[in-house]
Amino acid sequence: SQKIEQNSEALNIQEGKTATLTCNYTNYSPAYLQWYRQDPGRGPVFLLLIRENEKEKRKERLKVTFDTTLKQSLFHITASQPADSATYLCALDMYRGTYKYIFGTGTRLKVLA
Amino acid sequence: GAGVSQSPRYKVAKRGQDVALRCDPISGHVSLFWYQQALGQGPEFLTYFQNEAQLDKSGLPSDRFFAERPEGSVSTLKIQRTQQEDSAVYLCASSMQGVGTGELFFGEGSRLTVL
Repeated sequence: SQKIEQNSEALNIQEGKTATLTCNYTNYSPAYLQWYRQDPGRGPVFLLLIRENEKEKRKERLKVTFDTTLKQSLFHITASQPADSATYLCALDMYRGTYKYIFGTGTRLKVLA
Repeated sequence: GAGVSQSPRYKVAKRGQDVALRCDPISGHVSLFWYQQALGQGPEFLTYFQNEAQLDKSGLPSDRFFAERPEGSVSTLKIQRTQQEDSAVYLCASSMQGVGTGELFFGEGSRLTVL
């Protein structure tokens, strides 16, 4: 079946370390992949978009990679801080280049002080 | 407005009641989306509008769900004869464009609890 998989279990890491979250997909050929952050009781907030022809994208302490051969995106937060604790969602365009984004189940990240 | 506004934030309904959830998108945003998010899950696509046209309603779970955006701005998601399985957070998002390069701006959601 078509789906997007993210680490279903929570990820706990020590402050200052790099957090790495994975997003794997099957049966899609997305042109774009987005990452969002969601805090409890809030709506998702856009973080980064990466295109299929981009291997890597950076924004401050965030880095996203996109491997269309492996059908995988990795999301890294370097020098993590307790304030980075949240659920992180990946999303891809279900129909290449169009409006319809579908989301993974999200990975809950907890950064320990 | 500064962001996407949704109301009510919380709604408790008795099974069988009708509910209406409102979304006020960012001014000028062409695209508007409704998503349903169950506890511990990612948002699930419900429907999509481009201006006032509902171009995709393939995610609506049943004919009890109805969405409209009559003037291409504010949108309402209506659920008739609510059932317990309708309990979820309903998220509205808007975007400047309809293509995949547009980031989605989400509201805070409307949490519906059906008793």
